[in-house]
Amino acid sequence: AQTVTQSQPEMSVQEAETVTLSCTYDTSESDYYLFWYKQPPSRQMILVIRQEAYKQQNATENRFSVNFQKAAKSFSLKISDSQLGDAAMYFCAYRSEIDGGTSYGKLTFGQGTILTVHP
Amino acid sequence: SQTIHQWPATLVQPVGSPLSLECTVEGTSNPNLYWYRQAAGRGLQLLFYSVGIGQISSEVPQNLSASRPQDRQFILSSKKLLLSDSGFYLCAWSVPWLVGAGGDNEQFFGPGTRLTVL
Repeated sequence: AQTVTQSQPEMSVQEAETVTLSCTYDTSESDYYLFWYKQPPSRQMILVIRQEAYKQQNATENRFSVNFQKAAKSFSLKISDSQLGDAAMYFCAYRSEIDGGTSYGKLTFGQGTILTVHP
Repeated sequence: SQTIHQWPATLVQPVGSPLSLECTVEGTSNPNLYWYRQAAGRGLQLLFYSVGIGQISSEVPQNLSASRPQDRQFILSSKKLLLSDSGFYLCAWSVPWLVGAGGDNEQFFGPGTRLTVL
């Protein structure tokens, strides 16, 4: 079974600075997807960024980028130019490549990292 | 565009009482549907998923059950609530994976229901 580990329960950053959130995972699969979700105080889960394991290029979405190290099974999230609205809990998640016999891929979540942004 | 609704938003129930949480999706057909529980504001645990009407798979044996009476409706139920059932319940949907078309690349979450069992 796959496991996802976020070793930083809490992180903080000054507004306009850069912060990196860590995530490692354990799997024996070669094809899979990785995600970062954001959960603000409203508790609405919002997809931030995703990475396909077969792609070597790191995904980027505006101020959010990832450092995907497949051999090390590491998937960190970098937030540049941090804004007050970035304050939230961030979850790393793993999804297996779809089994051809099913139409569903299970998501496994890490325990989350609470990010505080100081003005 | 697709939207997902959950109700109620909050619920306080006594131990031993029944439970029914509802989730509906608009703007898509034949979605994969999921129920998650988030305890103490931490990680999400998948409880149930469904790939079609009447098709329910359970990830964790427990006091809860799920049903999918309509294509875009997913219900989480319990006959008798336990204290340990307290938590934040999230419903999610995804586009099902199809041969040649891919899909199920990401899950979209509803606003959640906060359940307190006293």
